Amino acid sequence: AQSVSQHNHHVILSEAASLELGCNYSYGGTVNLFWYVQYPGQHLQLLLKYFSGDPLVKGIKGFEAEFIKSKFSFNLRKPSVQWSDTAEYFCAVNAGYGGSQGNLIFGKGTKLSVKP
Amino acid sequence: NAGVTQTPKFRVLKTGQSMTLLCAQDMNHEYMYWYRQDPGMGLRLIHYSVGEGTTAKGEVPDGYNVSRLKKQNFLLGLESAAPSQTSVYFCASSPTRNQPQHFGDGTRLSIL
Repeated sequence: AQSVSQHNHHVILSEAASLELGCNYSYGGTVNLFWYVQYPGQHLQLLLKYFSGDPLVKGIKGFEAEFIKSKFSFNLRKPSVQWSDTAEYFCAVNAGYGGSQGNLIFGKGTKLSVKP
Repeated sequence: NAGVTQTPKFRVLKTGQSMTLLCAQDMNHEYMYWYRQDPGMGLRLIHYSVGEGTTAKGEVPDGYNVSRLKKQNFLLGLESAAPSQTSVYFCASSPTRNQPQHFGDGTRLSIL
């Protein structure tokens, strides 16, 4: 079965620090990759997605992620975080085909706290 | 454009009571999903639907039932609520299985 691992449960940074959140998945075939963000008390919103093509994808609010197929990784990065980036971040993966195995599998999330 | 709307937003139940959570989407999406979110567990799929009149089990379906009588609505039912079902429930929809999902604001459910 597919699984998604997010290595950091809680990351605390000061404003202007650089951010990298790790995400690894277990499926070896074609995958679609997503990062979602959940601000306190809100629903999940899509940050960025990767389906194919350039492995470096840019999302909203200055976030980007790099797909490294050989490492089964899709790490999220931001060069300089702001206090408003305080949120929980979820990596999600689905296999690029139908059937129950094609459902979205979420990591357990990483809470990011940015100190002003 | 409302997107995905969940009702109610909050609810407190007693053990053994039943209730139905409603999800409505106005984007004409084929796929709809119900997740539960628990601290440190991420989102886990309860049930999903690939179109009107269809439902399927997800990762944690026990204790829940669903119905998709109309394309825009996806109902989640708890027949006999248990404290273990205390959680935040999110509904989502997508045009196809692989496209990004759009989420509702969630329902915070407490079962005493």
